[in-house]
Amino acid sequence: DGGITQSPKYLFRKEGQNVTLSCEQNLNHDAMYWYRQDPGQGLRLIYYSQIVNDFQKGDIAEGYSVSREKKESFPLTVTSAQKNPTAFYLCASSLGQGSNQPQHFGDGTRLSIL
Amino acid sequence: GDSVTQMEGPVTLSEEAFLTINCTYTATGYPSLFWYVQYPGEGLQLLLKATKADDKGSNKGFEATYRKETTSFHLEKGSVQVSDSAVYFCALESYNTDKLIFGTGTRLQVFP
Repeated sequence: DGGITQSPKYLFRKEGQNVTLSCEQNLNHDAMYWYRQDPGQGLRLIYYSQIVNDFQKGDIAEGYSVSREKKESFPLTVTSAQKNPTAFYLCASSLGQGSNQPQHFGDGTRLSIL
Repeated sequence: GDSVTQMEGPVTLSEEAFLTINCTYTATGYPSLFWYVQYPGEGLQLLLKATKADDKGSNKGFEATYRKETTSFHLEKGSVQVSDSAVYFCALESYNTDKLIFGTGTRLQVFP
């Protein structure tokens, strides 16, 4: 079955440590996205990529980095510069701009600080 | 900029009650509109969508109509079930981008 796989489901970070969240899709989608969800808030866009080897900052990119070396993969690194990283992180993908097709979401990674 | 406003929750209902979750939007041009549902500990699932004015999206007994004159996309269901308990997000996609803008979500709790 096609879908989006996020791993790990739970992740713990120590102070000053970088951690990387994995997102893989086998839907053959061109576009991929990372969102952050905090309690009682909607989703906020961190980074997005419309094509391999290209990505753009979203609304809250500070303290995060991404890469898009393969169409199927869009890992997110939460750096030590992100001072409040505890949140639920969601990855999504879509056919891309102009396709008029919805985004599909993974099951999320919950990041906590030790 | 574009934005989405949803009614605050939680919405608490008895099984078989009628559900309405209000959603209004501000956008330039002609956005596409979506309702997503999030069950505990999971990601978001697309519930329904509408891409132009007067379109009605429907799925699993839920409906929403794209009302351009009132800039609204209210979610309705005639008879809710306990299994409908979840958080519901209204979202829009601007006509010239593929970025989604979400409301803050509305938690629905249905009791037997």
